[in-house]
Amino acid sequence: EAQVTQNPRYLITVTGKKLTVTCSQNMNHEYMSWYRQDPGLGLRQIYYSMNVEVTDKGDVPEGYKVSRKEKRNFPLILESPSPNQTSLYFCASSSRSRVDQPQHFGDGTRLSIL
Amino acid sequence: ILNVEQSPQSLHVQEGDSTNFTCSFPSSNFYALHWYRWETAKSPEALFVMTLNGDEKKKGRISATLNTKEGYSYLYIKGSQPEDSATYLCAFPFINGQNFVFGPGTRLSVLP
Repeated sequence: EAQVTQNPRYLITVTGKKLTVTCSQNMNHEYMSWYRQDPGLGLRQIYYSMNVEVTDKGDVPEGYKVSRKEKRNFPLILESPSPNQTSLYFCASSSRSRVDQPQHFGDGTRLSIL
Repeated sequence: ILNVEQSPQSLHVQEGDSTNFTCSFPSSNFYALHWYRWETAKSPEALFVMTLNGDEKKKGRISATLNTKEGYSYLYIKGSQPEDSATYLCAFPFINGQNFVFGPGTRLSVLP
C-alpha cells in the first residue's frame, strides 16, 4: 500500500530536549515536504526536499532542521524545542513532476512542548 | 509574502444542498492549483490538481474550475451529503513550483 508514515503520532516533551520526527514514503517520490498546522493559519511549509541531499527552506524554517540522506526518508529535527513549536505536523511527498502531481500526506504528528 | 485566500471560512448546509467556495491566488507566475479535502482526525487527501486556465475537473459530485488570469478557482459540491463534511484546502505552488502556500481552508458542515 502506497503510504507516507510518520512517527511518533503524538509526543509531549519539555523545552530544550532534542527530538526527531521521522517520515518515510514507499512510493519512490523525489519531492518531500514538512508542514505545520496551527489554528486559523492553515498549513505552513517548514522545509522541502527535491531529492537526496537537496533541501531548502519553506516559509517557517526557524528552529527546525531536516536531512535527506535516503530517498524514502525525510526526518524533521527540533534541536532545542520551544513551546511555540507546539503544533500538528504533516509530512508529504509527491513524484518528480511535483507541480501537476498531488501531494500524499502522512497521518500527522501532534507535538506538545511544555 | 504570497497570499492565498479562501472564502467563506466556514459553511453550514443542509443535506442535499449544492454549495461552492472560492480560492483566490496570485495570477502571476502560475504553475498549478491544488485542492485537498481534510477530514477531522485524518490527513489531507488530494481532490484535484489544475494546471490550465479554463480547466474543469470532476470527481463524483465534486467539481472545480480554474481561472488563472483573474486568480481564482471554484470548488462545487452538488447534493451535499454528511460525509462531505470536511475542511477543503487549496494550495498554490510558487518559486518554480517548489514551495507551496496553502489557503486557510473552508470548513464545510453538512447537516442531515
